[in-house]
Amino acid sequence: AQSVTQPDIHITVSEGASLELRCNYSYGATPYLFWYVQSPGQGLQLLLKYFSGDTLVQGIKGFEAEFKRSQSSFNLRKPSVHWSDAAEYFCAVVLLSGGSYIPTFGRGTSLIVHP
Amino acid sequence: ETGVTQTPRHLVMGMTNKKSLKCEQHLGHNAMYWYKQSAKKPLELMFVYSLEERVENNSVPSRFSPECPNSSHLFLHLHTLQPEDSALYLCASSQWKGDSSYEQYFGPGTRLTVT
Repeated sequence: AQSVTQPDIHITVSEGASLELRCNYSYGATPYLFWYVQSPGQGLQLLLKYFSGDTLVQGIKGFEAEFKRSQSSFNLRKPSVHWSDAAEYFCAVVLLSGGSYIPTFGRGTSLIVHP
Repeated sequence: ETGVTQTPRHLVMGMTNKKSLKCEQHLGHNAMYWYKQSAKKPLELMFVYSLEERVENNSVPSRFSPECPNSSHLFLHLHTLQPEDSALYLCASSQWKGDSSYEQYFGPGTRLTVT
């Protein structure tokens, strides 16, 4: 069965520190990969996505993610976290084939930023 | 209005009431989605419409009834709900095609409380 795993439920970092949020997937083929962010009481906003090509993807708000096929991972990174980055982060995958474009989401990782 | 809008933003209803949630997208997309987001649970896909036809129904109880009259509007009709149905209901839209233009755009959600 297809699955997306975000192993960390909560991550706490100090403002200015670097950040890495983990995402692993289990699919028969390479899926297309997304990271979304959700601020409290809001919908999800797309940070970045990977379809093909360069495995290091740049997104909005200074985030980047790296696709590693050998590890079935798509980890999200940011070199210096700001207090406004505190939010819930979701990894999602979708197989854009067979005429069905329905994503599977991970459980989410809650980011807490200490001043 | 731009993007994906949802009304109402907050709804309190009794278990015997009938109410409807509305979603509207202004992006020219041809697919729309309903998700349920409960505290401490993964995002649950409820319904998917592509070109105004339902293509996915993830074993949702019949007290939830979707309606997609055109590609810009999506409704979720609610009746005889249970307290465990209290959650944030998110609407999303996308293009229904398998290329790099695919991404979901989310509305801000409707916070539903069933009393």
